Amino acid sequence: ILNVEQSPQSLHVQEGDSTNFTCSFPSSNFYALHWYRWETAKSPEALFVMTLNGDEKKKGRISATLNTKEGYSYLYIKGSQPEDSATYLCASGMNNNAGNMLTFGGGTRLMVKP
Amino acid sequence: DSGVTQTPKHLITATGQRVTLRCSPRSGDLSVYWYQQSLDQGLQFLIQYYNGEERAKGNILERFSAQQFPDLHSELNLSSLELGDSALYFCASSGREPALFFGPGTRLTVL
Repeated sequence: ILNVEQSPQSLHVQEGDSTNFTCSFPSSNFYALHWYRWETAKSPEALFVMTLNGDEKKKGRISATLNTKEGYSYLYIKGSQPEDSATYLCASGMNNNAGNMLTFGGGTRLMVKP
Repeated sequence: DSGVTQTPKHLITATGQRVTLRCSPRSGDLSVYWYQQSLDQGLQFLIQYYNGEERAKGNILERFSAQQFPDLHSELNLSSLELGDSALYFCASSGREPALFFGPGTRLTVL
C-alpha cells in the first residue's frame, strides 16, 4: 500500500509571498505523480502530471519538480494571490499493469491573505 | 466544468438502506474512477473501470459494488449503509492523458 505524505498540512501566507509544498511518495513501482488544485465547494482540477525523474512543469506562477529516485515532488507558487487559496493535492500512481491507480496525499491547504 | 457529471448531488438516507450513485464520464473517456472522501480523510480510491471492465480495486468494502455500462456511464452501489459511509463520493474519468477529470461529487448522508 502506497503512503503519500504532504507537508505542511496548512499554510497561511500574505499576498505576494512565494511558497512551496512537499509531496513524498514511495519510489517503488512509480508510474506518475499528479498535482491537483481543489477549491472549496468545487472538485479537484489537474495542475500537472509528471513521470520522469527531473521533470519540471510550469503553469503561470505555479511550477512543480519531481525526484523519483528519492520519492518527492515540490510545488511552488510565485507571488501568491488570494485566488490561489485552495487545497493542493498530490497523488502517486503505481503501475501494477492493472490500471492507473492513484493514491492521494492528505493535501496542503493554502490560505493567501490580501 | 470538467465534463464529468454525477447524480444526485445530495443523498440523505437511513442506515441499512441501499443507494446508487451515477456518473457519466467526459465524452470519449474510457476510464472511470470512484473515490471516497470521508471527514478528515483524504481521497480514498475505491475502484476503476476501463471500457466496461474492472481494472483496479482499492479499499472498497464488500457492501459496495460498481459497474460500467456499454455507454460508459458508471454506477456505484452502496448497500447495508452505515453511519460511517457518510462521505463525499467523487467520480473521475480519464482518456489518453493520465490526468483525472473529477465530477462535482455526490454527498451522501446516512442517518
